[in-house]
Amino acid sequence: KNEVEQSPQNLTAQEGEFITINCSYSVGISALHWLQQHPGGGIVSLFMLSSGKKKHGRLIATINIQEKHSSLHITASHPRDSAVYICAVRKGLLSGGGADGLTFGKGTHLIIQP
Amino acid sequence: DAGITQSPRHKVTETGTPVTLRCHQTENHRYMYWYRQDPGHGLRLIHYSYGVKDTDKGEVSDGYSVSRSKTEDFLLTLESATSSQTSVYFCAISEGYRGPNTEAFFGQGTRLTVV
Repeated sequence: KNEVEQSPQNLTAQEGEFITINCSYSVGISALHWLQQHPGGGIVSLFMLSSGKKKHGRLIATINIQEKHSSLHITASHPRDSAVYICAVRKGLLSGGGADGLTFGKGTHLIIQP
Repeated sequence: DAGITQSPRHKVTETGTPVTLRCHQTENHRYMYWYRQDPGHGLRLIHYSYGVKDTDKGEVSDGYSVSRSKTEDFLLTLESATSSQTSVYFCAISEGYRGPNTEAFFGQGTRLTVV
């Protein structure tokens, strides 16, 4: 079983809809990252969270450490939000984490139709 | 944007040939990573570096080697390329791996095709 699971794998919505992408993880973590990748493009960091909630423009990320769950919300979605959204965790020391980078989910393919 | 440059951006090579991918950073970050991205898989760690001449293996290191002779450069070498190494390769950097300095910055990726 993957240590980081995202849902849904694919999501198509209409412009203006409220979008929620979920991430569940099974290990202790020191931080969780949300990343964005446009088709054929590089990967951009959206948020890094260790607790609570962060907001940037129309994007909101929340994390519940006790439930090992995070959500990424997009308000007033727009076609330019179409991308792959990737959840990644940095494992905590007790989970064997160290300097060896992030553990990634497989991504959520989001398409926003005009 | 963090200063990370990957080169080349695209490469087609033949099976059995050596290939080197370069990651160059201008941020003076200590930690550098090479990942590969394949359909149906999340990004997977190939090798990482925690300082000049300090490197270690990741989850999918077989068939790859790395070198870091300067802080700013991290090279990934496929000694003898195979078709299973066709992938998109991403370099990433971070200042630290604990606390607030763990944000990761990614390069634009290198699309490698082995024919």
